[in-house]
Amino acid sequence: GAVVSQHPSWVICKSGTSVKIECRSLDFQATTMFWYRQFPKQSLMLMATSNEGSKATYEQGVEKDKFLINHASLTLSTLTVTSAHPEDSSFYICSARDREVSGGEQYFGPGTRLLVL
Amino acid sequence: EDQVTQSPEALRLQEGESSSLNCSYTVSGLRGLFWYRQDPGKGPEFLFTLYSAGEEKEKERLKATLTKKESFLHITAPKPEDSATYLCAVQVDRWSGNTGKLIFGQGTTLQVKP
Repeated sequence: GAVVSQHPSWVICKSGTSVKIECRSLDFQATTMFWYRQFPKQSLMLMATSNEGSKATYEQGVEKDKFLINHASLTLSTLTVTSAHPEDSSFYICSARDREVSGGEQYFGPGTRLLVL
Repeated sequence: EDQVTQSPEALRLQEGESSSLNCSYTVSGLRGLFWYRQDPGKGPEFLFTLYSAGEEKEKERLKATLTKKESFLHITAPKPEDSATYLCAVQVDRWSGNTGKLIFGQGTTLQVKP
């Protein structure tokens, strides 16, 4: 149980293009999903909290117009990196909370490695 | 300011050599403390949740404990497959509400040699 998938697992794109990353909870419903980025040998940095049916809450310093988040259903959230630049290259990881579980556990996806040339 | 600090940053053990990883936290109202394991190039894998001081949880060679200021992840007779980065995270009352936002420590990278 509690499986989260991400697609794609890796992507290479040209500078200026947009990239969409999908995060799905496969065997549970998630009212809240989270998006993180992780640089090499560093811990996870929370970018935004995504609530189903409402606008995402972005952390300080994260550009909401650059990192568009949509949480249209209880099992799917998407992160779109718009007009990507080389400095956006990173490991992006999503997580989800099971709406049926009262604890605060987040279950993480396998991550998406983005390389912007 | 809410803060989570893990030590040591890196730990090398011989197979079978037991040890402990530390997670110290300074937060205003702890709702829960979480341990995750992360392998290179992968997302974190959930291990334990601890909610109150004195609580302990075990899974195979791992045992997590919690006090009012810190948590320990004890590894008994580790094997090479236990090599990974272990992350500690806290959920804080005043931030989280119903959202479940976590604050992560920097992690401890464990290497177990055969």
